Parts: sequence; structure tokens; C-alpha cells
Amino acid sequence: QVTLKESGPGILQPSQTLSLTCTFSGFSLSTYGMGVGWIRQPSGKGLEWLANIWWDDDKYYNPSLKNRLTISKDTSNNQAFLKITNVDTADTATYYCARMRGPPFDYWGQGVMVTVSS
Amino acid sequence: DIQVTQSPSSLLASLGERVTITCQTSQSISNNLNWFQQKPGQAPMLLIYYATSLQTGMPSRFSGQYSGRSFTLTITSLEPEDIANYFCLQHYSAPWTFGGGTKLELK
Repeated sequence: QVTLKESGPGILQPSQTLSLTCTFSGFSLSTYGMGVGWIRQPSGKGLEWLANIWWDDDKYYNPSLKNRLTISKDTSNNQAFLKITNVDTADTATYYCARMRGPPFDYWGQGVMVTVSS
Repeated sequence: DIQVTQSPSSLLASLGERVTITCQTSQSISNNLNWFQQKPGQAPMLLIYYATSLQTGMPSRFSGQYSGRSFTLTITSLEPEDIANYFCLQHYSAPWTFGGGTKLELK
């Protein structure tokens, strides 16, 4: 059974770094062709793809966030991570991680709400 | 970046009605498009992948088609549990981009 669960700080202040963790089970990020992506959704709005990481450590980022994103993984502990530096109120959203195996995003986590506020 | 234009943004439909939602991409993406269903307060769920393949476990009243840069999601006979938001995603080239979404409501 594939499950993913996101965790994060809940609230943080502008200019801080947002650190998100995706803890998953039912698959391994060391398996050929496997990947995890991060997506966010501001309240009441649409979805925005942020970044992907693959089994071979290949990484892709959304250039709209310029150089603020860093994605990584810990294969041994079945976790993927996303860091967003220098956050502001526009980064307030629900953040999802999702599995990629063949078709992207076949399983999603429940999402974690992140609020950026001073 | 590949732009994805989804229409309509909202849709009122009756139970049993045939519903069609469209995504148009700004460039050719072959069949690299997925459809997702999202109910309020829940994470999105994969409905259709590679434009036409029904995800395991999803009802057969959902189907996907495409022609060129135009992709359609069809619900052949609307059921109450289909009331949700629907999104498409192009995964042909980075940055992957979602359509703006369609809010499907009961008439």
C-alpha cells in the first residue's frame, strides 16, 4: 500500500527558510523509474508544480521560483525533502508530495498547510 | 513554458448528464497529460494518465481523449460523487504546468 505524508512548520515568518518532509511507504526511491514531486496549492486556487526528484538523483525545478528551491531525498529512510528559501506571503499554501512511477502523481499525500506571516 | 488553458472554469450539470472538460496546450505535448479529481479538503486523485488511460479503480464513466493540442475529459453520466474540481497537468516538458481547474457543481 502506497502512502505519503507531508510535514512542515505550519507557520513561519517572511525571509525564513521553509523545510518540508515527505515520508512515504509502499515504494522505494531507489527503484528504477521512481520519483517524488512537490506541488503546492494556495487556498481556493490552482495547483503549481514545484520540483521533482528521481531514483537516480536527477532533479528538476520550476524556474518561476528561481533559485529558492532545493529538493533532496533520503532513500534509506523513505523520505524526500523540499526547502524554499526567503519565503514571503505568496508562499502560503498547502504543499503536497506525490509519487511518480510511469504517469506522474499517481499517489498523493494529504498535504500540509504552510502559512507565512509576520 | 507550455501554457495549459482549461475550460470551462466552472460548470453546472445535472445528474445523469454528459460532462466535458477541455485543456488546450500552447505546444504539442503528444499524450503527456494527466487529469486529476480533487474533492473539497482532499488531495487530488489521478483519474486519467497519458491522456486516455483510466487509472486503476476509477469509474469507467470517466474517459479521456485528445487530438493535437486539445485534450478532453468526459464523464458520460454524472453521479453525485463526481462533484469536485478537475485539473489537467502537462508533463511533457519542465516546468510541468497545470490547467486552471474546473469546478463542477450540480445544477
